[in-house]
Amino acid sequence: AQTVTQSQPEMSVQEAETVTLSCTYDTSENNYYLFWYKQPPSRQMILVIRQEAYKQQNATENRFSVNFQKAAKSFSLKISDSQLGDTAMYFCAWGDYGGSQGNLIFGKGTKLSVKP
Amino acid sequence: EAQVTQNPRYLITVTGKKLTVTCSQNMNHEYMSWYRQDPGLGLRQIYYSMNVEVTDKGDVPEGYKVSRKEKRNFPLILESPSPNQTSLYFCASSLTTGEKLFFGSGTQLSVL
Repeated sequence: AQTVTQSQPEMSVQEAETVTLSCTYDTSENNYYLFWYKQPPSRQMILVIRQEAYKQQNATENRFSVNFQKAAKSFSLKISDSQLGDTAMYFCAWGDYGGSQGNLIFGKGTKLSVKP
Repeated sequence: EAQVTQNPRYLITVTGKKLTVTCSQNMNHEYMSWYRQDPGLGLRQIYYSMNVEVTDKGDVPEGYKVSRKEKRNFPLILESPSPNQTSLYFCASSLTTGEKLFFGSGTQLSVL
């Protein structure tokens, strides 16, 4: 069974600095997707970034980038120039690559606080 | 506006009283799924559906039922709720598996 582990329950960072959230996963599949979702206090779930496992290039979205290490099964999220609005729970997730499976496995989350 | 509409936002009920949480999407998505979120446990998948009349169990399906009679709707049914089903529930949809998930606003359920 697939598992997703986020080893940092809570983190804090000063505004304008850079922070990295870690995520490791376990799977025997070769093709899959990885995601980072953000949940601010409003509890709305927001996609931050998406990575396709068959792509070697790391995904980036503005201030957010990932370090995808397929062999190590690691998928960390780097937030540059942290802003107060980045304060949220961040969830890493693993998903099947289409086909007949629809499992999406989330980690337990990392609570990030950005301090002024 | 593309959205997933989930109702109700808040629900307090008593043990054993059947309830349904509705979920509807207007994006013609094939894939829909239900999650529960509990402190310290993250989101756990309850059921998912790949298309009309196609549903499958996620990680925590016990005590829940779903149906997918129409593409846009994917209700979650608790036939005999128990206090351990007190949780925050999310419905989500995507075009297909692996694509961006669109989430509903969540339903906070309390079972007394």
